[in-house]
Amino acid sequence: AQKVTQAQTEISVVEKEDVTLDCVYETRDTTYYLFWYKQPPSGELVFLIRRNSFDEQNEISGRYSWNFQKSTSSFNFTITASQVVDSAVYFCALSEASSGAGSYQLTFGKGTKLSVIP
Amino acid sequence: DSGVTQTPKHLITATGQRVTLRCSPRSGDLSVYWYQQSLDQGLQFLIHYYNGEERAKGNILERFSAQQFPDLHSELNLSSLELGDSALYFCASSGANTDTQYFGPGTRLTVL
Repeated sequence: AQKVTQAQTEISVVEKEDVTLDCVYETRDTTYYLFWYKQPPSGELVFLIRRNSFDEQNEISGRYSWNFQKSTSSFNFTITASQVVDSAVYFCALSEASSGAGSYQLTFGKGTKLSVIP
Repeated sequence: DSGVTQTPKHLITATGQRVTLRCSPRSGDLSVYWYQQSLDQGLQFLIHYYNGEERAKGNILERFSAQQFPDLHSELNLSSLELGDSALYFCASSGANTDTQYFGPGTRLTVL
């Protein structure tokens, strides 16, 4: 069965520091998809990025970057020059192509709560 | 704003009662997924509907049911409520041939 582990429960950094959030996943599928979502204090879940299992190219979007390594089953998320607005809970999630009937339900990690201190 | 709407935003009710949560997907999206977020269980998949048909079930209790209507909005019905059902309930939608899900703002259910 699929599993997502976010070992860091809480992280605190001072504004402008870089921070990396770890995500390790388990799956038997060769085709799968990885996601990061952000949940700010207001509670909504905001989609950040999607990666498929065949695309190991790292991605950068502004201050955000993602490192996908199949060899270590990891999909880590780095925020460069953190800001107070980055304070949120960040979730890593996995969906498998073999879930069946065209369903891509997400398996979430427990989340990492990031606090950026001014 | 993801384009997914959920009503109500907050719901307070008593044990044993029944409630209905409503979700409208993004325009053009055929899939609606329901998730429950609780402190002890985290975010868990409940059920998936595609164009009116149930496609997958997760950890959904027998007291819970859902449906998707011809206009593609979906409702999650929770009955015989227990204190442990207190949680944040999200729906998410995705388009045809895509697996990226966009989440609504959630409905916070409190069972007293």
